Amino acid sequence: GENVEQHPSTLSVQEGDSAVIKCTYSDSASNYFPWYKQELGKRPQLIIDIRSNVGEKKDQRIAVTLNKTAKHFSLHITETQPEDSAVYFCAASINNDMRFGAGTRLSVKP
Amino acid sequence: GAGVSQSPSNKVTEKGKDVELRCDPISGHTALYWYRQSLGQGLEFLIYFQGNSAPDKSGLPSDRFSAERTGGSVSTLTIQRTQQEDSAVYLCASSLQAPRGTHGYTFGSGTRLTVV
Repeated sequence: GENVEQHPSTLSVQEGDSAVIKCTYSDSASNYFPWYKQELGKRPQLIIDIRSNVGEKKDQRIAVTLNKTAKHFSLHITETQPEDSAVYFCAASINNDMRFGAGTRLSVKP
Repeated sequence: GAGVSQSPSNKVTEKGKDVELRCDPISGHTALYWYRQSLGQGLEFLIYFQGNSAPDKSGLPSDRFSAERTGGSVSTLTIQRTQQEDSAVYLCASSLQAPRGTHGYTFGSGTRLTVV
């Protein structure tokens, strides 16, 4: 079936380093790509999203890039801080539906 | 309301009992979703409501699961004859009326269901 693949499943970085999480999708008609952050025991929260008419979007230390040709999009977190530690989920609109990646557990070590 | 409200926040039930989980979406959000999240796992889609349209029930894992949405607002997820494998966090989300998959979701805090 058509899904969203997310890598890596776990990621550990030192505070201050950058973190990159990548997702690929299969439907060339997909046009909306949100990212969610879920802290331990909390609800998933939308942190940034991008639509297919742009290639990059930034919000302070986070950015998302989209490569429509290759059908992949990535979340970039710069100058990571301990409070960035969470599970991050990507998602893509596929067949008039929203499909989620399996999640990436990011650990930022002080 | 200001956010998606779910109740109860925690539910412990005995195997074989029925449970009802409630979701109150953001006012004005006509799309409502139920997801299930087992410990340390991803988001498993259960059911989707959009306005007065027939719901998409394709994610319900068995006929013990059902959901209703009354008056286009509050939704109730019912699990009959609960089993231990039903233990999970049940998340509700709502979004603006639009073609499905074109707007971000606002999630509730979830109901943690434990079947003993």
